[in-house]
Amino acid sequence: DVKVTQSSRYLVKRTGEKVFLECVQDMDHENMFWYRQDPGLGLRLIYFSYDVKMKEKGDIPEGYSVSREKKERFSLILESASTNQTSMYLCASSSWGSGTLYNEQFFGPGTRLTVL
Amino acid sequence: LAKTTQPISMDSYEGQEVNITCSHNNIATNDYITWYQQFPSQGPRFIIQGYKTKVTNEVASLFIPADRKSSTLSLPRVSLSDTAVYYCLVGDTYNTDKLIFGTGTRLQVFP
Repeated sequence: DVKVTQSSRYLVKRTGEKVFLECVQDMDHENMFWYRQDPGLGLRLIYFSYDVKMKEKGDIPEGYSVSREKKERFSLILESASTNQTSMYLCASSSWGSGTLYNEQFFGPGTRLTVL
Repeated sequence: LAKTTQPISMDSYEGQEVNITCSHNNIATNDYITWYQQFPSQGPRFIIQGYKTKVTNEVASLFIPADRKSSTLSLPRVSLSDTAVYYCLVGDTYNTDKLIFGTGTRLQVFP
């Protein structure tokens, strides 16, 4: 089974702190994603990476950056956390056209971040 | 970029069949239709995918009419454990970053 793990299930940080959210996948997937999920807004894509050291902005990249130094690891960085970044953060990974299942994304359990 | 429209919520009772319809009027030739399920406090998980006609697996069936402008996810004999949010996505293999989950359909199953 594909496994996507995230470094923390719950995290509480203060405004202005630098926050690192780590995601690791064990299936050698090329693609990795960071989403945030807020009530009434669904999942929104923050950043996407299709290869090591490659990154693409999603719909809401402002206030975030990412790092992908190794294929299995994708980090989301909040340079200076703000209260409006309080949210559930979900990491996902996928492979290019795995058999007949195109674009299937495998999600981690999520990190609920609270910024005070 | 194909946008999808689905009901915000649906209610059902245990043992009933549930059909959730998704509208995607501007679906492209290369696009597939994929449904995900999300339980509270978990990430979404893939349940079914199709291109046209009917697809069935051990969890659900997916019906896609000839014009492909809509699709229907069918859950046979739902149980309380099917209470979840269901997302309809439309996209192709090479534009992974263009998939939009939206707000999904919240299905509540009652005893």
